[in-house]
Amino acid sequence: QVQLVQSGAEVKKPGASVKVSCKASGYTFTSYGISWVRQAPGQGLEWMGWISAYNGNTNYAQKLQGRVTMTTDTSTSTAYMELRSLRSDDTAVYYCARDVSSSWGAFDIWGQGTMVTVSS
Amino acid sequence: QSALTQPRSVSGSPGQSVTISCTGTSSDVGGYNYVSWYQQHPGKAPKLMIYDVSKRPSGVPDRFSGSKSGNTASLTISGLQAEDEADYYCCSYAGSYTPVFGGGTKLTVL
Repeated sequence: QVQLVQSGAEVKKPGASVKVSCKASGYTFTSYGISWVRQAPGQGLEWMGWISAYNGNTNYAQKLQGRVTMTTDTSTSTAYMELRSLRSDDTAVYYCARDVSSSWGAFDIWGQGTMVTVSS
Repeated sequence: QSALTQPRSVSGSPGQSVTISCTGTSSDVGGYNYVSWYQQHPGKAPKLMIYDVSKRPSGVPDRFSGSKSGNTASLTISGLQAEDEADYYCCSYAGSYTPVFGGGTKLTVL
């Protein structure tokens, strides 16, 4: 079946970096974009950015510009999100999600989420 | 972009209908027919319920419907069921390849 499986929980110190993976299966990876969305504890959803699995083009949320990098490895159908210079307010569940083709801001398949905790 | 405005909570009894609003501006909700809605149960990933304002993905019951008027989009759930109790988020395209989410609405089934 179509699914996205993410890497496990991470605990990081302030100032460190984290890299979360998202492995796709059950569909042609390069035919869809992947977005990353995060959710701080008890808070709402925040779109972080998008990457085309076809050509690697990216678009990042303005507030994360310079700290986030999204990449893909088409040989393993895996997307990655790296966040640098971590702060306590980066503590959140990070989701990858597949974009609905021919739409914008619609995500039809979600990963299970990766908890990233930033604490000294 | 600022988050879209949703009521913090709504409630309804089983069998009733409820509507959740999502208010934006002419730069997002009002400017594009790209509004989506997500259902999220505690500890779970969001689930797409509506996209492109009113389209339902395969497998989503037709009790869920979406609409838009001006800068406000709405999700209506008819024939409320206990399993509909969840958080609901709207999302709209806001131009420049950027989507924006609403703050979320907690639906309680009484």
